Amino acid sequence: AQTVTQSQPEMSVQEAETVTLSCTYDTSESNYYLFWYKQPPSRQMILVIRQEAYKQQNATENRFSVNFQKAAKSFSLKISDSQLGDTAMYFCAFMAYLGGSQGNLIFGKGTKLSVKP
Amino acid sequence: NAGVTQTPKFQVLKTGQSMTLQCAQDMNHEYMSWYRQDPGMGLRLIHYSVGAGITDQGEVPNGYNVSRSTTEDFPLRLLSAAPSQTSVYFCASSKPPMGTDTQYFGPGTRLTVL
Repeated sequence: AQTVTQSQPEMSVQEAETVTLSCTYDTSESNYYLFWYKQPPSRQMILVIRQEAYKQQNATENRFSVNFQKAAKSFSLKISDSQLGDTAMYFCAFMAYLGGSQGNLIFGKGTKLSVKP
Repeated sequence: NAGVTQTPKFQVLKTGQSMTLQCAQDMNHEYMSWYRQDPGMGLRLIHYSVGAGITDQGEVPNGYNVSRSTTEDFPLRLLSAAPSQTSVYFCASSKPPMGTDTQYFGPGTRLTVL
């Protein structure tokens, strides 16, 4: 069974600084996807970034980037130039790619990020 | 496109009551799923469907029923509500394969069972 672990329940960062959120996972699958979702106080789940395991290049989306270490089964999220609007719960999630169909999302327990002015 | 919609947004039930949480999507997605979110637990999969007429259990299916008669709708039924079902419920959808798409979430339903 796959598991996703986020070891930092809460973090804080000053506005304009950089913060890194950690995520590790455990799987025996070779083909899979990793995601970071953001959940602001509005409760809406918003996809931040996605990484395909077969790609060696780390995904980036504007101020958000990941450090994907496949051998170590690590998938951290770096937020650069933090903004007040980045304050939210962040969830790391895993999905196995089952050869044409898909598995289901498995979530970590989340990291609550507070950006301070 | 409205995306994924859920009704109601909030609901209070008494123990033993039944109700249906509605989920609809207008993106012609084949895959739909229900998650529950509890404090400190992240999101956990309840049931999912890979197409009309096909449903399967997720990690925490007990106490919930689903059906998928159309591509657009995927209702979640609580037959006899229990306080342990107090949670926030999310519906999500996607169009397989995942390599070209991602899961889109509805706004959630906050359910309280007294």
